[in-house]
Amino acid sequence: AQTVTQSQPEMSVQEAETVTLSCTYDTSESDYYLFWYKQPPSRQMILVIRQEAYKQQNATENRFSVNFQKAAKSFSLKISDSQLGDAAMYFCAYRSAGAGNQFYFGTGTSLTVIP
Amino acid sequence: DAGVIQSPRHEVTEMGQEVTLRCKPISGHDYLFWYRQTMMRGLELLIYFNNNVPIDDSGMPEDRFSAKMPNASFSTLKIQPSEPRDSAVYFCASSPPRREQFFGPGTRLTVL
Repeated sequence: AQTVTQSQPEMSVQEAETVTLSCTYDTSESDYYLFWYKQPPSRQMILVIRQEAYKQQNATENRFSVNFQKAAKSFSLKISDSQLGDAAMYFCAYRSAGAGNQFYFGTGTSLTVIP
Repeated sequence: DAGVIQSPRHEVTEMGQEVTLRCKPISGHDYLFWYRQTMMRGLELLIYFNNNVPIDDSGMPEDRFSAKMPNASFSTLKIQPSEPRDSAVYFCASSPPRREQFFGPGTRLTVL
Protein backbone atom coordinates (compact mmCIF):
# COMPACT_ATOMS: atom_id res chain seq x y z
CA ALA A 1 0.00 0.00 0.00
CA GLN A 2 1.08 3.52 -0.65
CA THR A 3 2.04 5.73 2.29
CA VAL A 4 1.91 9.48 2.66
CA THR A 5 4.18 11.18 5.20
CA GLN A 6 3.85 14.66 6.60
CA SER A 7 6.83 15.11 8.87
CA GLN A 8 5.77 18.45 10.35
CA PRO A 9 2.95 18.02 12.86
CA GLU A 10 2.87 21.76 13.51
CA MET A 11 4.04 24.85 11.68
CA SER A 12 3.66 28.56 12.26
CA VAL A 13 4.01 31.57 10.01
CA GLN A 14 3.81 35.30 10.42
CA GLU A 15 0.92 36.98 8.64
CA ALA A 16 1.91 38.07 5.10
CA GLU A 17 4.91 35.74 5.08
CA THR A 18 5.44 32.53 3.12
CA VAL A 19 5.37 29.01 4.52
CA THR A 20 6.04 25.61 2.98
CA LEU A 21 4.43 22.40 4.17
CA SER A 22 6.19 19.15 3.35
CA CYS A 23 4.77 15.90 2.05
CA THR A 24 6.45 12.75 0.78
CA TYR A 25 4.88 9.56 -0.47
CA ASP A 26 5.91 6.07 -1.31
CA THR A 27 4.64 4.38 -4.44
CA SER A 28 5.67 2.10 -7.26
CA GLU A 29 3.04 3.52 -9.60
CA SER A 30 3.86 5.93 -12.39
CA ASP A 31 0.40 7.45 -12.73
CA TYR A 32 -1.38 8.95 -9.75
CA TYR A 33 -2.87 12.13 -8.34
CA LEU A 34 -1.85 14.29 -5.42
CA PHE A 35 -3.93 16.71 -3.40
CA TRP A 36 -3.71 19.15 -0.54
CA TYR A 37 -6.75 19.58 1.65
CA LYS A 38 -7.41 22.23 4.28
CA GLN A 39 -9.47 21.57 7.40
CA PRO A 40 -10.27 24.73 9.35
CA PRO A 41 -11.82 24.66 12.84
CA SER A 42 -15.23 24.23 11.21
CA ARG A 43 -14.04 20.68 10.34
CA GLN A 44 -15.07 20.99 6.70
CA MET A 45 -12.48 19.39 4.41
CA ILE A 46 -11.71 21.76 1.55
CA LEU A 47 -9.62 20.98 -1.51
CA VAL A 48 -6.75 23.43 -1.86
CA ILE A 49 -4.92 22.17 -4.91
CA ARG A 50 -4.46 19.07 -7.07
CA GLN A 51 -1.59 17.76 -9.19
CA GLU A 52 -1.58 15.01 -11.82
CA ALA A 53 1.64 13.00 -11.75
CA TYR A 54 1.94 13.03 -15.55
CA LYS A 55 2.08 16.83 -15.57
CA GLN A 56 5.51 18.32 -15.07
CA GLN A 57 4.21 21.81 -14.45
CA ASN A 58 3.56 22.61 -10.81
CA ALA A 59 -0.04 23.46 -9.97
CA THR A 60 -0.93 26.92 -8.72
CA GLU A 61 -4.12 28.30 -7.20
CA ASN A 62 -3.84 31.97 -6.30
CA ARG A 63 -1.59 32.15 -3.22
CA PHE A 64 -1.16 28.37 -3.09
CA SER A 65 1.39 26.51 -5.18
CA VAL A 66 3.09 23.15 -5.08
CA ASN A 67 6.60 21.92 -5.67
CA PHE A 68 6.13 18.48 -7.22
CA GLN A 69 9.30 16.42 -7.46
CA LYS A 70 8.26 13.09 -8.96
CA ALA A 71 11.62 11.38 -8.75
CA ALA A 72 12.00 12.37 -5.12
CA LYS A 73 8.33 11.54 -4.42
CA SER A 74 7.88 14.91 -2.82
CA PHE A 75 4.85 17.21 -2.97
CA SER A 76 5.20 20.35 -0.86
CA LEU A 77 2.65 23.15 -0.52
CA LYS A 78 3.72 26.75 -0.50
CA ILE A 79 1.40 29.40 0.91
CA SER A 80 2.35 32.94 -0.02
CA ASP A 81 1.18 36.12 1.71
CA SER A 82 -0.26 34.09 4.57
CA GLN A 83 -3.57 35.25 5.97
CA LEU A 84 -5.28 34.59 9.28
CA GLY A 85 -7.85 32.51 7.45
CA ASP A 86 -5.14 30.11 6.34
CA ALA A 87 -4.86 28.77 9.87
CA ALA A 88 -6.01 25.15 9.67
CA MET A 89 -4.94 21.54 9.51
CA TYR A 90 -3.51 20.67 6.11
CA PHE A 91 -3.62 17.15 4.74
CA CYS A 92 -1.64 15.78 1.84
CA ALA A 93 -3.35 12.99 -0.09
CA TYR A 94 -2.44 10.49 -2.81
CA ARG A 95 -4.87 8.82 -5.18
CA SER A 96 -3.90 5.80 -7.19
CA ALA A 97 -4.77 5.83 -10.89
CA GLY A 98 -4.75 2.06 -10.95
CA ALA A 99 -7.34 -0.52 -10.00
CA GLY A 100 -9.33 0.55 -6.98
CA ASN A 101 -8.51 4.24 -7.28
CA GLN A 102 -7.61 4.13 -3.59
CA PHE A 103 -6.99 7.26 -1.54
CA TYR A 104 -4.27 7.69 1.10
CA PHE A 105 -4.00 10.62 3.49
CA GLY A 106 -1.09 11.93 5.51
CA THR A 107 -1.39 12.66 9.21
CA GLY A 108 -1.72 16.39 8.72
CA THR A 109 0.16 19.57 9.57
CA SER A 110 -1.41 22.12 11.88
CA LEU A 111 -0.67 25.63 10.62
CA THR A 112 -0.84 28.63 12.92
CA VAL A 113 -0.81 32.14 11.47
CA ILE A 114 0.60 34.77 13.80
CA PRO A 115 -0.85 38.28 13.43
CA ASP B 1 -25.26 21.11 -6.47
CA ALA B 2 -25.91 20.57 -2.75
CA GLY B 3 -22.67 18.72 -2.20
CA VAL B 4 -22.35 15.64 -0.04
CA ILE B 5 -25.11 15.53 2.55
CA GLN B 6 -24.70 13.83 5.90
CA SER B 7 -27.22 13.32 8.64
CA PRO B 8 -27.47 13.78 11.48
CA ARG B 9 -24.87 16.50 12.06
CA HIS B 10 -24.66 15.68 15.74
CA GLU B 11 -25.59 12.50 17.55
CA VAL B 12 -25.45 11.83 21.25
CA THR B 13 -26.29 8.35 22.40
CA GLU B 14 -25.72 6.00 25.27
CA MET B 15 -23.41 3.04 25.26
CA GLY B 16 -25.04 -0.03 23.82
CA GLN B 17 -27.43 1.81 21.55
CA GLU B 18 -27.52 1.41 17.79
CA VAL B 19 -26.33 4.39 15.76
CA THR B 20 -27.00 4.95 12.05
CA LEU B 21 -25.20 7.61 10.08
CA ARG B 22 -26.45 8.57 6.65
CA CYS B 23 -24.84 9.95 3.54
CA LYS B 24 -26.09 11.20 0.19
CA PRO B 25 -23.22 11.50 -2.31
CA ILE B 26 -23.00 13.96 -5.16
CA SER B 27 -25.01 12.73 -8.11
CA GLY B 28 -22.86 10.99 -10.70
CA HIS B 29 -19.99 10.18 -8.38
CA ASP B 30 -18.94 6.54 -8.62
CA TYR B 31 -17.01 6.36 -5.36
CA LEU B 32 -18.14 6.79 -1.79
CA PHE B 33 -15.85 6.80 1.24
CA TRP B 34 -16.47 6.67 4.98
CA TYR B 35 -13.85 8.12 7.35
CA ARG B 36 -13.51 8.49 11.09
CA GLN B 37 -11.52 11.33 12.63
CA THR B 38 -10.28 11.58 16.21
CA MET B 39 -7.50 13.52 17.87
CA MET B 40 -5.71 10.32 18.81
CA ARG B 41 -5.92 8.41 15.54
CA GLY B 42 -6.35 11.20 13.01
CA LEU B 43 -8.27 10.54 9.80
CA GLU B 44 -8.98 6.85 9.20
CA LEU B 45 -10.55 5.30 6.13
CA LEU B 46 -13.22 2.85 7.23
CA ILE B 47 -14.64 1.59 3.94
CA TYR B 48 -15.16 2.67 0.38
CA PHE B 49 -17.56 1.73 -2.39
CA ASN B 50 -17.32 1.81 -6.15
CA ASN B 51 -20.63 1.70 -8.01
CA ASN B 52 -22.37 0.67 -4.78
CA VAL B 53 -20.04 -2.30 -4.24
CA PRO B 54 -17.73 -2.34 -1.20
CA ILE B 55 -14.14 -2.42 -2.42
CA ASP B 56 -12.11 -2.22 0.78
CA ASP B 57 -13.51 -2.57 4.27
CA SER B 58 -10.23 -3.37 5.98
CA GLY B 59 -10.50 -0.16 8.00
CA MET B 60 -13.74 -1.15 9.68
CA PRO B 61 -12.71 -1.53 13.32
CA GLU B 62 -14.75 -4.58 14.21
CA ASP B 63 -17.98 -6.42 13.63
CA ARG B 64 -19.94 -3.76 15.45
CA PHE B 65 -19.48 -1.56 12.38
CA SER B 66 -21.31 -2.16 9.12
CA ALA B 67 -21.86 -0.07 6.01
CA LYS B 68 -24.25 -0.40 3.13
CA MET B 69 -24.88 1.34 -0.13
CA PRO B 70 -28.24 0.11 -1.44
CA ASN B 71 -28.23 2.54 -4.36
CA ALA B 72 -26.11 5.25 -5.94
CA SER B 73 -27.66 8.03 -3.90
CA PHE B 74 -27.55 6.68 -0.37
CA SER B 75 -25.23 5.01 2.08
CA THR B 76 -25.38 4.17 5.78
CA LEU B 77 -22.80 3.44 8.43
CA LYS B 78 -24.18 1.56 11.39
CA ILE B 79 -22.64 0.92 14.80
CA GLN B 80 -24.29 -1.71 16.96
CA PRO B 81 -23.75 -1.72 19.87
CA SER B 82 -22.03 1.64 20.26
CA GLU B 83 -19.21 2.20 22.76
CA PRO B 84 -17.65 5.39 24.18
CA ARG B 85 -14.49 4.78 22.13
CA ASP B 86 -16.58 5.18 18.98
CA SER B 87 -16.96 8.88 19.75
CA ALA B 88 -15.52 10.74 16.77
CA VAL B 89 -16.38 12.79 13.73
CA TYR B 90 -17.49 10.59 10.85
CA PHE B 91 -17.07 11.91 7.34
CA CYS B 92 -18.58 10.73 4.13
CA ALA B 93 -16.93 11.70 0.84
CA SER B 94 -17.69 11.01 -2.80
CA SER B 95 -15.73 11.36 -5.99
CA PRO B 96 -15.64 10.56 -9.67
CA PRO B 97 -12.76 8.34 -10.82
CA ARG B 98 -9.29 9.92 -10.70
CA ARG B 99 -10.51 13.11 -9.13
CA GLU B 100 -10.48 14.68 -5.70
CA GLN B 101 -12.87 13.64 -2.98
CA PHE B 102 -15.72 15.92 -2.00
CA PHE B 103 -16.39 15.74 1.71
CA GLY B 104 -19.60 16.12 3.62
CA PRO B 105 -19.77 18.29 6.74
CA GLY B 106 -19.33 15.31 9.04
CA THR B 107 -21.35 13.81 11.86
CA ARG B 108 -20.08 14.38 15.37
CA LEU B 109 -20.90 11.25 17.38
CA THR B 110 -20.75 11.20 21.15
CA VAL B 111 -21.32 7.92 22.96
CA LEU B 112 -21.86 8.33 26.68
